[in-house]
Amino acid sequence: GESVGLHLPTLSVQEGDNSIINCAYSNSASDYFIWYKQESGKGPQFIIDIRSNMDKRQGQRVTVLLNKTVKHLSLQIAATQPGDSAVYFCAENPFGNEKLTFGTGTRLTIIP
Amino acid sequence: DVKVTQSSRYLVKRTGEKVFLECVQDMDHENMFWYRQDPGLGLRLIYFSYDVKMKEKGDIPEGYSVSREKKERFSLILESASTNQTSMYLCASSLSRQGAYEQYFGPGTRLTVT
Repeated sequence: GESVGLHLPTLSVQEGDNSIINCAYSNSASDYFIWYKQESGKGPQFIIDIRSNMDKRQGQRVTVLLNKTVKHLSLQIAATQPGDSAVYFCAENPFGNEKLTFGTGTRLTIIP
Repeated sequence: DVKVTQSSRYLVKRTGEKVFLECVQDMDHENMFWYRQDPGLGLRLIYFSYDVKMKEKGDIPEGYSVSREKKERFSLILESASTNQTSMYLCASSLSRQGAYEQYFGPGTRLTVT
């Protein structure tokens, strides 16, 4: 399944399927992007980041894709598990420094 | 592992009270941040600090002040709490490192102002 940031804040995915969470960022000057996971009752937790000189970066079961042409960022989660249920946020650094601007988030729900 | 701790998980205060939210990080990070998180609005930056005694306003500083007397500690102060400051408050810290700006978050303080 896919979601598009603000327009579809909830994404439901069957356990074992791949999840794709999308994010449209706002500033073409941003050179750093990051994904966070926030479980209920906890603070956001770093998942993966990517710099603007890359278009893809892989981690453990996660891949981030960056398309600077259309200012689009996506997070792919392979073989989604119940523990992946959370709200996922993207963030960018529109000022080219350590100040991040966050998206409103997408809630990922796993269907058993 | 980086650890960011916040003084309270839940806090209930009355309108007009002065409220202190404390944040401590143990990784010698230069930068510290305070955000508030509200449904549908995501994380909004209130203040950040890039060094001891240094601070910079974020996007929504009105009604808040901050203090950073020691590198590991960053306090958020609500001078006179109002009901519209009921929210989840998140503290974060990061290294000053060019090109890598990941922030590490505390568990949050859910503040209710009645």
